[in-house]
Amino acid sequence: GAVVSQHPSRVICKSGTSVKIECRSLDFQATTMFWYRQFPKQSLMLMATSNEGSKATYEQGVEKDKFLINHASLTLSTLTVTSAHPEDSSFYICSARPGQGDLETQYFGPGTRLLVL
Amino acid sequence: AQTVTQSQPEMSVQEAETVTLSCTYDTSESDYYLFWYKQPPSRQMILVIRQEAYKQQNATENRFSVNFQKAAKSFSLKISDSQLGDAAMYFCAYCAGGGADGLTFGKGTHLIIQP
Repeated sequence: GAVVSQHPSRVICKSGTSVKIECRSLDFQATTMFWYRQFPKQSLMLMATSNEGSKATYEQGVEKDKFLINHASLTLSTLTVTSAHPEDSSFYICSARPGQGDLETQYFGPGTRLLVL
Repeated sequence: AQTVTQSQPEMSVQEAETVTLSCTYDTSESDYYLFWYKQPPSRQMILVIRQEAYKQQNATENRFSVNFQKAAKSFSLKISDSQLGDAAMYFCAYCAGGGADGLTFGKGTHLIIQP
């Protein structure tokens, strides 16, 4: 149980285009999903917290207009990188927290590697 | 704000031996949780073990155990009988009680298993 998927696993796009990444909890309902960013050989940095049916909460320094987050259902959150630039190239990982039971453990998706040319 | 520090960028251990990875943290909260996550080359984050701050007993999961020293704000991971499949990046992580906040991660320790 507690499986989280992400799509796509890898994407290459041209500078100036927008890219959407989907995060799904497959066998549980997730009232909260989180988006992290990981640069090569670095740790995970929290970008934003996504709660179903409400606006996302962004960490300091993360541009909300650039990284659009939508959490329209209890099993799906999307991250859209708008007008992507080469510096946005990174590994993006989502996680999901169950709505009941073990509230503190987060289950991670396999990540999405974004390369902006 | 909470911080998590892993002071060992890299550790190496012989197969079948025991290794301990260090982690310290800083928080003003009384209700919190600590985790160790493993990230193999596939980059999939895998939960290794978790510890509730209110529990005095150290968590154990098969070959993995922690030494939780609350007063010292220390949370080390011991891996016994190391196996080749244990080779990975290991991240120590913190979250406040309730789980509403995201995880704060340490910088990670790269664990190498020598055959």
